[in-house]
Amino acid sequence: DAGVIQSPRHEVTEMGQEVTLRCKPISGHNSLFWYRQTMMRGLELLIYFNNNVPIDDSGMPEDRFSAKMPNASFSTLKIQPSEPRDSAVYFCASNNRGGRNGYTFGSGTRLTVV
Amino acid sequence: GESVGLHLPTLSVQEGDNSIINCAYSNSASDYFIWYKQESGKGPQFIIDIRSNMDKRQGQRVTVLLNKTVKHLSLQIAATQPGDSAVYFCAENSAGTYKYIFGTGTRLKVLA
Repeated sequence: DAGVIQSPRHEVTEMGQEVTLRCKPISGHNSLFWYRQTMMRGLELLIYFNNNVPIDDSGMPEDRFSAKMPNASFSTLKIQPSEPRDSAVYFCASNNRGGRNGYTFGSGTRLTVV
Repeated sequence: GESVGLHLPTLSVQEGDNSIINCAYSNSASDYFIWYKQESGKGPQFIIDIRSNMDKRQGQRVTVLLNKTVKHLSLQIAATQPGDSAVYFCAENSAGTYKYIFGTGTRLKVLA
């Protein structure tokens, strides 16, 4: 099992540009989570999908952020337009019990907006 | 994927000694707890979990203790090794919810 796969590992972009982060969850996992990690706020849950359906997006900072899960093996997190304060490490995690028994995290995407 | 950095509490331990990392959790309704390890450039990795009907659970070189009275969780690492150097997070969860509340993390430094 390759685990949760995220791409790209690093992204540097200019303010105002669109950024798309990608995630492939573990096969068979029906729950997917996007987290953001910063020095100031630690790990924050952005959005939770169950069976490809967004269940809770209350953690999405603002309308500039959007997430999709078109099928069970792929999800994207998009920021448009990006701002310097979006700089963080973004993690995708998956699970097959809606979060109980913990998640398997990907290696993250380090986003730098200049 | 470096974790929360400059303001993390840090525990420095001599190689071979035992480490104890503490965590105060916030929600008295939480009934499931996990310790995660995050190495530099990687995502958090599950180490060990414990449910609220237990006070202690042991894994390989790790032990988690739960004190529900004072809402305190600890992770004990026996014979700490250089590979144990990482940031350790506790996370709490309540039955019927999918959200975890993560602690701010503790950085463990193993001294040779």
